[in-house]
Amino acid sequence: KQEVTQIPAALSVPEGENLVLNCSFTDSAIYNLQWFRQDPGKGLTSLLLIQSSQREQTSGRLNASLDKSSGRSTLYIAASQPGDSATYLCAVTNFGNEKLTFGTGTRLTIIP
Amino acid sequence: DVKVTQSSRYLVKRTGEKVFLECVQDMDHENMFWYRQDPGLGLRLIYFSYDVKMKEKGDIPEGYSVSREKKERFSLILESASTNQTSMYLCASSLGLSWGSGVGEDTEAFFGQGTRLTVV
Repeated sequence: KQEVTQIPAALSVPEGENLVLNCSFTDSAIYNLQWFRQDPGKGLTSLLLIQSSQREQTSGRLNASLDKSSGRSTLYIAASQPGDSATYLCAVTNFGNEKLTFGTGTRLTIIP
Repeated sequence: DVKVTQSSRYLVKRTGEKVFLECVQDMDHENMFWYRQDPGLGLRLIYFSYDVKMKEKGDIPEGYSVSREKKERFSLILESASTNQTSMYLCASSLGLSWGSGVGEDTEAFFGQGTRLTVV
């Protein structure tokens, strides 16, 4: 059974710093990996999708990488801003059944 | 843009009531999902539907049922609400590999805004 882990559970950094969020998964048979953002009490907003054949994806200040063989992904946020404060979740879509398995998230706080 | 809309942001129901949570997507997606989210437990899949009138149980289907009579609408039903079903409920949809080009982007998931259900 696929298991997805995100460490740390919470992270606080000063505004302007670059930071990396980590995601690991146990089964490399995936279609893709998605990174989501969730603001308190709200739904999930898709940030980046990396297909299993890709190594990375970029959107603005965000860069996500995927190393399928080692079961790891990172989300890099450049020049962090207070508006980046949220919970970040990664999810993998499992090969063969198209269901998403989620990590428990990293709660990010950017300190002004 | 894909839009997934859940019928209510907040609901308060009494124990034993039958509760319907509705979800509608406007992008002709094949797959639809219902998750619940609880502190410390993350998102857990309740039910998954890959076509009209087709459904699969997820990890925690007990106490729930679903209905998908039309492609765009996926309903979650709590047959007899209990306090342990107080949670945030999230609906999602994705295009589906059988109808797309067969690459990973066809499984990109889009979520609704969530329904916070409180059972008292």
